[in-house]
Amino acid sequence: QKEVEQNSGPLSVPEGAIASLNCTYSDRGSQSFFWYRQYSGKSPELIMFIYSNGDKEDGRFTAQLNKASQYVSLLIRDSQPSDSATYLCAVKGAQKLVFGQGTRLTINP
Amino acid sequence: DAMVIQNPRYQVTQFGKPVTLSCSQTLNHNVMYWYQQKSSQAPKLLFHYYDKDFNNEADTPDNFQSRRPNTSFCFLDIRSPGLGDAAMYLCATSRYIGGIGQPQHFGDGTRLSIL
Repeated sequence: QKEVEQNSGPLSVPEGAIASLNCTYSDRGSQSFFWYRQYSGKSPELIMFIYSNGDKEDGRFTAQLNKASQYVSLLIRDSQPSDSATYLCAVKGAQKLVFGQGTRLTINP
Repeated sequence: DAMVIQNPRYQVTQFGKPVTLSCSQTLNHNVMYWYQQKSSQAPKLLFHYYDKDFNNEADTPDNFQSRRPNTSFCFLDIRSPGLGDAAMYLCATSRYIGGIGQPQHFGDGTRLSIL
């Protein structure tokens, strides 16, 4: 089992719809969870981070964390073509930040 | 603006010819990281510095070395690059304040090509 798993995608969503990205992790002791956006050929850009169970909202983005289910998700409301990118879930365990393989998201105009 | 700066953006070197990549930061973060990222793969941690303490990942090849002469600068040295070392190299920084991990902030990366 991979330490951090994401839907590989690609995920295609119409413009204006909600995009839902999912991530599961294996280390039950993990405490810090991050979502990064990465455009092709560019470096990862921090979108959201969440530490506590529940929802955290920032503009069109909502991160959701359920530690009992070892599950973290990112919702993007009112999706825009500029949201088209690869989204990396990253989980901080005892030692280091572990990245998922990423989900490629395409927003169709 | 506070930021993480990597130079150069693109580096071409010959097989076996040593190369150095640089990273500087104005965030005054105490932790600096080097990642290798190949196409369609997740970033892979090579090593990190917590202040001056160097932490090497177990599977990082000996061919890769790092130096951190001061808080602001960190270097990645590849002693004898092979074709398999062609990748994007990412520098990141974070604050460490114990316990919960702080977000890592990435530079723009250096894309390394091997001829």
